[in-house]
Amino acid sequence: AQSVTQPDIHITVSEGASLELRCNYSYGATPYLFWYVQSPGQGLQLLLKYFSGDTLVQGIKGFEAEFKRSQSSFNLRKPSVHWSDAAEYFCAVPGAGSYQLTFGKGTKLSVIP
Amino acid sequence: DTGVSQDPRHKITKRGQNVTFRCDPISEHNRLYWYRQTLGQGPEFLTYFQNEAQLEKSRLLSDRFSAERPKGSFSTLEIQRTEQGDSAMYLCASTGTGNQPQHFGDGTRLSIL
Repeated sequence: AQSVTQPDIHITVSEGASLELRCNYSYGATPYLFWYVQSPGQGLQLLLKYFSGDTLVQGIKGFEAEFKRSQSSFNLRKPSVHWSDAAEYFCAVPGAGSYQLTFGKGTKLSVIP
Repeated sequence: DTGVSQDPRHKITKRGQNVTFRCDPISEHNRLYWYRQTLGQGPEFLTYFQNEAQLEKSRLLSDRFSAERPKGSFSTLEIQRTEQGDSAMYLCASTGTGNQPQHFGDGTRLSIL
């Protein structure tokens, strides 16, 4: 069954430091992969998506993610974190029916000034 | 494009009452999804519409949950005889045809007293 694991529940980084959020997936075929961000009390905003082609994907707000098939990973990175990046981040893959999304449990990012 | 709109943003009700939430998708999107998100978890898929047809409803949590999309535009999610465990954020998402990513609304937060 399709599943997503985000090993880190909570990460704290200093403003200006680099960031990497981990995502591992289980999927039967070449997956579509997504990263969403959620601010408190808000819905989810799409950061970036991988469908096919170049395994390094650029997204909004300076984020990028790299698809590594051999490691079943799709880690999210940002070279320099801003205080406004503090939020919860979710990795997702299509679910069993391919139409819905299966999400990880999320990683909460805190940013120290 | 005003995005996905959900109403109300917050709903507080007593146990045993019925509640109904509304979702207005992005106007040109024909697919609409409902998810539930509890504290510390990622969104959990509930049901899916393509136009007015409800193509997947087996993931609705119980027979107290129902959803409609009568004219293929807005959708409603109803919970009858609410229970404490129904307290959660209910998210709506929409997308067009193909493998377009889902766009989420800001959700309705339900609190059961």
